[in-house]
Amino acid sequence: DAKTTQPPSMDCAEGRAANLPCNHSTISGNEYVYWYRQIHSQGPQYIIHGLKNNETNEMASLIITEDRKSSTLILPHATLRDTAVYYCIVRVSNTGNQFYFGTGTSLTVIP
Amino acid sequence: GAVVSQHPSWVICKSGTSVKIECRSLDFQATTMFWYRQFPKQSLMLMATSNEGSKATYEQGVEKDKFLINHASLTLSTLTVTSAHPEDSSFYICSAREPLSGSRGNEQFFGPGTRLTVL
Repeated sequence: DAKTTQPPSMDCAEGRAANLPCNHSTISGNEYVYWYRQIHSQGPQYIIHGLKNNETNEMASLIITEDRKSSTLILPHATLRDTAVYYCIVRVSNTGNQFYFGTGTSLTVIP
Repeated sequence: GAVVSQHPSWVICKSGTSVKIECRSLDFQATTMFWYRQFPKQSLMLMATSNEGSKATYEQGVEKDKFLINHASLTLSTLTVTSAHPEDSSFYICSAREPLSGSRGNEQFFGPGTRLTVL
């Protein structure tokens, strides 16, 4: 079962930073937070993941609160191609390492 | 690197027939593969986890006799929808994972999906 909650939709102006929040208040100490996005009718694309520390890569930054109960994905300069559904996932910590997707946030980047 | 393909990308079949969907990891060995189903305007729902050489583990509510999964090699898993009905029409997506000991063992790499339409 999904362990995350996200707002259903958000808008962001092109060129601005998009900040996508995620709540995962029941996360366990050894469970990672993953972010994927899905553009219409395609498979999900990996963005970033983290455990405790903030992370940054060429696509985005991930800010995790100190108590790990929430996180924020930051797209620093949103483009029209960033319009997608963004999923925050807590990876189940067992040998299977399954992903249970929540409802995600539909981000629309506006010109 | 870490490319996962699915075949076919779309398929239309008649009610009562069986359809096989292939999932391949093209440039890495996938000890574990996952199958998801996604209905329109909904999120991905995990159907089953398959480990190479062993039986798949199905999520609660997923009929194992209807959705047959075979993971016979480290690069190929197949999902067969048996006796398909219109309610099985959906977007089926697979993902693959390297061994946990690998540098990318914590990531899942997703295929592009297969759209199944049952008439």
